Amino acid sequence: SQTIHQWPATLVQPVGSPLSLECTVEGTSNPNLYWYRQAAGRGLQLLFYSIGIDQISSEVPQNLSASRPQDRQFILSSKKLLLSDSGFYLCAWSVDGDYGYTFGSGTRLTVV
Amino acid sequence: AQSVTQLDSQVPVFEEAPVELRCNYSSSVSVYLFWYVQYPNQGLQLLLKYLSGSTLVKGINGFEAEFNKSQTSFHLRKPSVHISDTAEYFCAVSPTNTNAGKSTFGDGTTLTVKP
Repeated sequence: SQTIHQWPATLVQPVGSPLSLECTVEGTSNPNLYWYRQAAGRGLQLLFYSIGIDQISSEVPQNLSASRPQDRQFILSSKKLLLSDSGFYLCAWSVDGDYGYTFGSGTRLTVV
Repeated sequence: AQSVTQLDSQVPVFEEAPVELRCNYSSSVSVYLFWYVQYPNQGLQLLLKYLSGSTLVKGINGFEAEFNKSQTSFHLRKPSVHISDTAEYFCAVSPTNTNAGKSTFGDGTTLTVKP
């Protein structure tokens, strides 16, 4: 079966510290992968998407970056976190021809 | 570019009553349409989707939605809600002319079912 793993579930980080969030998908090949951020009480903002290994597109200029070192692995990173980076980060995947997303369980990041 | 407007930020309803959550969208190209549900501190779960064919689509948990191209709407309905339907609901669209499947989401509607 197809599953998606996202970790950690919660994270509290000081301003200026680095960040690494990881997402892995099982049970499918060559998925489209996405990172979204959800601010409190708001909708989802697309941060990055990837249609293949090392193919990353950024939707919003910011101090975050993404990488896809393997077909089913998607990593969100930052060298120095800002207070405004706090939020709920969601990884998702889809396949060509059927773009309904399967979401991970999310990471709640609090920058203090 | 696409935009999605969920017309009601909060919808309170009594248990076993019908409910409609409204979604309008704007796009210069054809789109696929989706509804997702999010329970507190969880990821989103796909409720239903419209890709093509019949404009009335049925999803999980007894929900259904109707695509109206002329009104650019995709309203979500359920004839009788349960307490367990209390959650945040998101409407989303994705352009059909790309291979990346990027979805644009509305700001969500909080459905609260009261006993």
